[in-house]
Amino acid sequence: EAGVTQSPTHLIKTRGQQATLRCSPISGHTSVYWYQQALGLGLQFLLWYDEGEERNRGNFPPRFSGRQFPNYSSELNVNALELEDSALYLCASNFADTEAFFGQGTRLTVV
Amino acid sequence: GDSVTQMEGPVTLSEEAFLTINCTYTATGYPSLFWYVQYPGEGLQLLLKATKADDKGSNKGFEATYRKETTSFHLEKGSVQVSDSAVYFCALSVYRGNTPLVFGKGTRLSVIA
Repeated sequence: EAGVTQSPTHLIKTRGQQATLRCSPISGHTSVYWYQQALGLGLQFLLWYDEGEERNRGNFPPRFSGRQFPNYSSELNVNALELEDSALYLCASNFADTEAFFGQGTRLTVV
Repeated sequence: GDSVTQMEGPVTLSEEAFLTINCTYTATGYPSLFWYVQYPGEGLQLLLKATKADDKGSNKGFEATYRKETTSFHLEKGSVQVSDSAVYFCALSVYRGNTPLVFGKGTRLSVIA
């Protein structure tokens, strides 16, 4: 069974541009979570989608947004990129209150 | 709100030493508790879990017991190996809660031969 897949693996953008990150959950999982892991820091919660709706978002500015599609895959968009947005972005999925499984992450570098 | 506090790292141990990484939590409901591990350059992997009080999760020689009275879920291993070097995250999830997985800040473990 395929795990959580994220694309792209690496992404390099210049300041001010937009970045789009994608996540495909494990089959049967309806929830998708996005986390930011900056260098040397823990996991900062970004967004939680379940059944196509945004359930909760972390303490991030509105230029961080996303959506969940009918097939439960998800997209994270970051507008007006800033240097401090450089981080590893992790996606996780689960169903109900089962344990979440993580993808390998997308490393975003803003130059 | 719900939160997880785990011991600050980094932790450096010699091979075959005993490991304890402390984790305590605050939750409004009845959480499930998890330990995740992140090896260098990789995403997070579930290491073990416990879903109710007094449950013991175990995997790969690691153990953690859900202690409701002390709101703790400490990670232990009797004899660490160099391959255990990684960052360990304690996390909780509240059934039908409105919060996502809540993680601690992570503890970096380095095991030297």
